[in-house]
Amino acid sequence: GAGVSQSPRYKVAKRGQDVALRCDPISGHVSLFWYQQALGQGPEFLTYFQNEAQLDKSGLPSDRFFAERPEGSVSTLKIQRTQQEDSAVYLCASSPGDRSTDTQYFGPGTRLTVL
Amino acid sequence: GESVGLHLPTLSVQEGDNSIINCAYSNSASDYFIWYKQESGKGPQFIIDIRSNMDKRQGQRVTVLLNKTVKHLSLQIAATQPGDSAVYFCAENAGGFKTIFGAGTRLFVKA
Repeated sequence: GAGVSQSPRYKVAKRGQDVALRCDPISGHVSLFWYQQALGQGPEFLTYFQNEAQLDKSGLPSDRFFAERPEGSVSTLKIQRTQQEDSAVYLCASSPGDRSTDTQYFGPGTRLTVL
Repeated sequence: GESVGLHLPTLSVQEGDNSIINCAYSNSASDYFIWYKQESGKGPQFIIDIRSNMDKRQGQRVTVLLNKTVKHLSLQIAATQPGDSAVYFCAENAGGFKTIFGAGTRLFVKA
């Protein structure tokens, strides 16, 4: 496809379960971002990749959150031992270059509900 | 800490009128600002951006104004259409890769 895709679109997990969220960025895009968006709020930065290198993970809320982009394309955000406060939409975005002013293209998000 | 906020959580306008959405930011080191539009069930979509060396930038039906003195950003939409109904976010960047979003303003366009 032409845009950023994310899967699954919806995920329901029981508290304590591990989840993995996938992001397929636009082909050839160097930069990849993950955001968390709580209901009624703006997206909050989680982490940033430049190719396969994770250059900023300052937004990850705890060590239960882990992200990877091993081949510099597809990325996975993993949340271990999910908690109710992890319920949110997780957005992925990619941009073509490595400048902070490059336009970010967002996927539709994965809505995670933790019961 | 760093934050970007909005003055009005909701805005209702008549179709054809102009809309103005306001935003305040607190990090004086921010040098790049972006407006995004988010429709229900979708990710944010880039509308327009402005760098701190400018105070105005125009796009198609949209204008962004930046007042660094009072740390204020606004988005003006001309001749608002029903398709403009969405949540609008301002966002700021201080040179790194961490973009900080505001809470958002919901725009309702009445036919």
